[in-house]
Amino acid sequence: DTGVSQDPRHKITKRGQNVTFRCDPISEHNRLYWYRQTLGQGPEFLTYFQNEAQLEKSRLLSDRFSAERPKGSFSTLEIQRTEQGDSAMYLCASSLAADHIGFGPGTRLTVT
Amino acid sequence: AQKITQTQPGMFVQEKEAVTLDCTYDTSDPSYGLFWYKQPSSGEMIFLIYQGSYDQQNATEGRYSLNFQKARKSANLVISASQLGDSAMYFCAMREGGADGLTFGKGTHLIIQP
Repeated sequence: DTGVSQDPRHKITKRGQNVTFRCDPISEHNRLYWYRQTLGQGPEFLTYFQNEAQLEKSRLLSDRFSAERPKGSFSTLEIQRTEQGDSAMYLCASSLAADHIGFGPGTRLTVT
Repeated sequence: AQKITQTQPGMFVQEKEAVTLDCTYDTSDPSYGLFWYKQPSSGEMIFLIYQGSYDQQNATEGRYSLNFQKARKSANLVISASQLGDSAMYFCAMREGGADGLTFGKGTHLIIQP
């Protein structure tokens, strides 16, 4: 049984660089979510896909952030011109129904 | 106002005792869902239990049960017979009917002592 996977698990980048993260959901799951978690806080919702359609975006998702889910399978989250405030754990989650949402291990981003 | 409030930043509990983690929520939507997740030091969010607003019975999953009191807007997690491996952060979260994203509380750090 393969869960949600994310790549890379850790990323260190310099301020101003672009970074891209990948999420592979559980294969039959049509719903995919991105969250951000900073130290000592609960995760914050960023965006939601149903199949390939991006149906919801949080106000937290500034214009430097973009997410895609081509063909309704894996998803990517890109951050352009990274800032130190972008340092966080980026969590991907997927589900088939709305009542059981499973999370991946996360990508920890450090912006120096 | 905060949508999800977890009033216990940290808790110490003796092994084998039952634990209740508090969660209150705020919504005017009649349709909503409540979730509990466990996050060990490894960082992965582990789904524990779900309660829908229209569910007549309290949800249970093994040693986990959700004490759902709709009128009080509370959804406390009860862990029976705690184990050392239960030491982790625990997050309560809510999905409101019209939205797809979850709103999380700040979490409770549970430490089980031998």
